[in-house]
Amino acid sequence: DTAVSQTPKYLVTQMGNDKSIKCEQNLGHDTMYWYKQDSKKFLKIMFSYNNKELIINETVPNRFSPKSPDKAHLNLHINSLELGDSAVYFCASSHRRDLLSYNEQFFGPGTRLTVL
Amino acid sequence: SQQGEEDPQALSIQEGENATMNCSYKTSINNLQWYRQNSGRGLVHLILIRSNEREKHSGRLRVTLDTSKKSSSLLITASRAADTASYFCATDSGGSNYKLTFGKGTLLTVNP
Repeated sequence: DTAVSQTPKYLVTQMGNDKSIKCEQNLGHDTMYWYKQDSKKFLKIMFSYNNKELIINETVPNRFSPKSPDKAHLNLHINSLELGDSAVYFCASSHRRDLLSYNEQFFGPGTRLTVL
Repeated sequence: SQQGEEDPQALSIQEGENATMNCSYKTSINNLQWYRQNSGRGLVHLILIRSNEREKHSGRLRVTLDTSKKSSSLLITASRAADTASYFCATDSGGSNYKLTFGKGTLLTVNP
């Protein structure tokens, strides 16, 4: 009964490859997020979807493309992987802002991506 | 740009002592949240304080917010070895943007 799940947990791949990370939440939330945490533990928002609509798109290379087939799923596809893409990627979810006045976020366990 | 900045970057204490971590931010906020991250795990929400609140308690946690100084502190009382983790503050600037901006975190080590 995991709240926010991600697959895979570890991903090791060669430069230039294309890979996907999947995220699912069973909390009934409308909003989902992708974060990147670098080696210094700095956590930066990449994308956010609210009910399948893209609402946050930070300065992220076009090689990164999120996709939300439904509001319980937010996947991240990365094309032409580079060494600098190595990081831990976290998925998170929260309620809609207009239902609650705050957006406490629930995080998945993370996907450690290593690009060789 | 980064909003929250935690201080100190690392803190090492003995079990039973209190731990205080600080967070400063730059722009006005709707609320400020603290999260904990155990090694190799995702972040877990600890406590939220709204911009019109000055202090909030939850179990052994006490959070203060000073909007005039744009700063917050997280106090963990009677620390335990299990409190060893990284602690992050995150600011919510409100509006239609759902964005939380995280600081760099404080690594707390509680020695048994």
